[in-house]
Amino acid sequence: DTGVSQDPRHKITKRGQNVTFRCDPISEHNRLYWYRQTLGQGPEFLTYFQNEAQLEKSRLLSDRFSAERPKGSFSTLEIQRTEQGDSAMYLCASSLSLAGGPALLDQYFGPGTRLTVT
Amino acid sequence: AQKVTQAQTEISVVEKEDVTLDCVYETRDTTYYLFWYKQPPSGELVFLIRRNSFDEQNEISGRYSWNFQKSTSSFNFTITASQVVDSAVYFCALSDNYGQNFVFGPGTRLSVLP
Repeated sequence: DTGVSQDPRHKITKRGQNVTFRCDPISEHNRLYWYRQTLGQGPEFLTYFQNEAQLEKSRLLSDRFSAERPKGSFSTLEIQRTEQGDSAMYLCASSLSLAGGPALLDQYFGPGTRLTVT
Repeated sequence: AQKVTQAQTEISVVEKEDVTLDCVYETRDTTYYLFWYKQPPSGELVFLIRRNSFDEQNEISGRYSWNFQKSTSSFNFTITASQVVDSAVYFCALSDNYGQNFVFGPGTRLSVLP
């Protein structure tokens, strides 16, 4: 399977606990994006990486959220002190961006991690 | 700020009917990209098309076609001879020229009835 993978697929946690999600992008893709999707809404951009550099963060990303991509390959998204409002589907996507020419911006999405905070 | 509007929340059609999903966008950028994604009941977003703002040619791919009208800031998606497997939520999205400021519309839920 050469697509984007995410782990875990489902996570149920109690309010106040910390959770961490992992995303493995398509291997040759240098860009990695995190989104959040709530029921009946479109995905909302959270942050993205070009290789290991985090280039953009949404205002939606509060101080309780942190993302890393230490070696430019997989990425983790951690939520500290979870709140019920954090319940959502967390989506990861990857794409290939080429320097010196038009960026290829086709994002390929993983299956998502569904977080439920009780 | 960038914005994508999909005014049709839900559409139901009978199999073999043609259906058009509307997308209207707002941006101050002169160069930008538009996208359509499909989210079937399984949940995984599937990329359908990317269109650069300089390319206003309409595109056809099998039963799918896209109409990009820069003058009206619209990027509509038509499915010809719809099939039950086309039932899904369809999202229109917009990004700047660098793949940043990615914004999705609220989606249109399409139900194709047998």
